[in-house]
Amino acid sequence: KAGVTQTPRYLIKTRGQQVTLSCSPISGHRSVSWYQQTPGQGLQFLFEYFSETQRNKGNFPGRFSGRQFSNSRSEMNVSTLELGDSALYLCASSLESQGLEQYFGPGTRLTVT
Amino acid sequence: KQEVTQIPAALSVPEGENLVLNCSFTDSAIYNLQWFRQDPGKGLTSLLLIQSSQREQTSGRLNASLDKSSGRSTLYIAASQPGDSATYLCAVAPSGSARQLTFGSGTQLTVLP
Repeated sequence: KAGVTQTPRYLIKTRGQQVTLSCSPISGHRSVSWYQQTPGQGLQFLFEYFSETQRNKGNFPGRFSGRQFSNSRSEMNVSTLELGDSALYLCASSLESQGLEQYFGPGTRLTVT
Repeated sequence: KQEVTQIPAALSVPEGENLVLNCSFTDSAIYNLQWFRQDPGKGLTSLLLIQSSQREQTSGRLNASLDKSSGRSTLYIAASQPGDSATYLCAVAPSGSARQLTFGSGTQLTVLP
């Protein structure tokens, strides 16, 4: 069974631009969560989607948004990029019946210049 | 607000040694606790998941314990190998928002040949 996939793997953007990252969960998983990892703040929860609905949201500004499609694939968008948005963005998927164990993708490395 | 602490931040051991990584959390109202491994620049690999009702889980050379009342978990690695070198992260999922993980800052393990 294929794991969680994320595209693109690497991205370089300029301040003020916007970016969209994509995540495809493990087949059958309906929950997708997004996390930001930086050297200073570590891993922080962004939001979680289940059946196309946002269920939880972390403490991030409104520039960070996401959505989930009917096939459970998810996208997150960051508008008006700032230098501090440079990070590894990780998504994770989970299946209800497995005690909510989360499986992570390889991440998208975003660099804002 | 849940806080997760991992001690030590870094650990270097000779090959073959048994070792223990520590994780503590401030709010005992957790759904589960998960240990992950992260190789440099990569995503997270799930190692062990302990439900709040469990005391320990084992997988191969790894054993994780959970003491919810004292807010502590340990990851025991037996007969360490150079391939075990990585950053080990623990994460807790709170009751009610079981997919919103709060992560510790990790222990960077180096196993010397």
